[in-house]
Amino acid sequence: SQTIHQWPATLVQPVGSPLSLECTVEGTSNPNLYWYRQAAGRGLQLLFYSVGIGQISSEVPQNLSASRPQDRQFILSSKKLLLSDSGFYLCACQGSGNTIYFGEGSWLTVV
Amino acid sequence: DAKTTQPPSMDCAEGRAANLPCNHSTISGNEYVYWYRQIHSQGPQYIIHGLKNNETNEMASLIITEDRKSSTLILPHATLRDTAVYYCIVSAHNNAGNMLTFGGGTRLMVKP
Repeated sequence: SQTIHQWPATLVQPVGSPLSLECTVEGTSNPNLYWYRQAAGRGLQLLFYSVGIGQISSEVPQNLSASRPQDRQFILSSKKLLLSDSGFYLCACQGSGNTIYFGEGSWLTVV
Repeated sequence: DAKTTQPPSMDCAEGRAANLPCNHSTISGNEYVYWYRQIHSQGPQYIIHGLKNNETNEMASLIITEDRKSSTLILPHATLRDTAVYYCIVSAHNNAGNMLTFGGGTRLMVKP
């Protein structure tokens, strides 16, 4: 079965600083990968998805970007964080089946 | 993706069955019904999914009406650890993957 590793689990960053959240997947090949965000008390919002290396689709305009340098690696980045970027970020993976599985998430607080 | 409607909250007594309803009246013929749950500060956990037929696994049962416009997730013997937000999602499988659109979900409180 597939395993999703996401780090860091929590971080506090000042406004204007860069961001890098990393997600790696084990137990599957050529997965579809996703980044979701959940603001405090809100539902999950799809930010990016990727169907292959170097292929990134953005669902909403924002201050963030995503990259997929390797088959099972998905990175969420920002050059300059905003207060509104605070939230719970989740990496998700869809392997050989159609079901999507989520990682444990990364809590980002921008101060 | 079709939208879903769920009650914002429900209570259930420990040991009793929890029946969580979901309306998806605009569901398309190729869209599946998925259920996830999210315990506070954790990633969503997959529970079950189905297309037309009722489904059962070790966690829950999914009952889909014949017209597919609504469904019910059943936790047969709820425990305190089942307290969570439960999300009902309809999604089609396509070349871009399985695009899940989360709504507000139902906050299930299991009480002793």
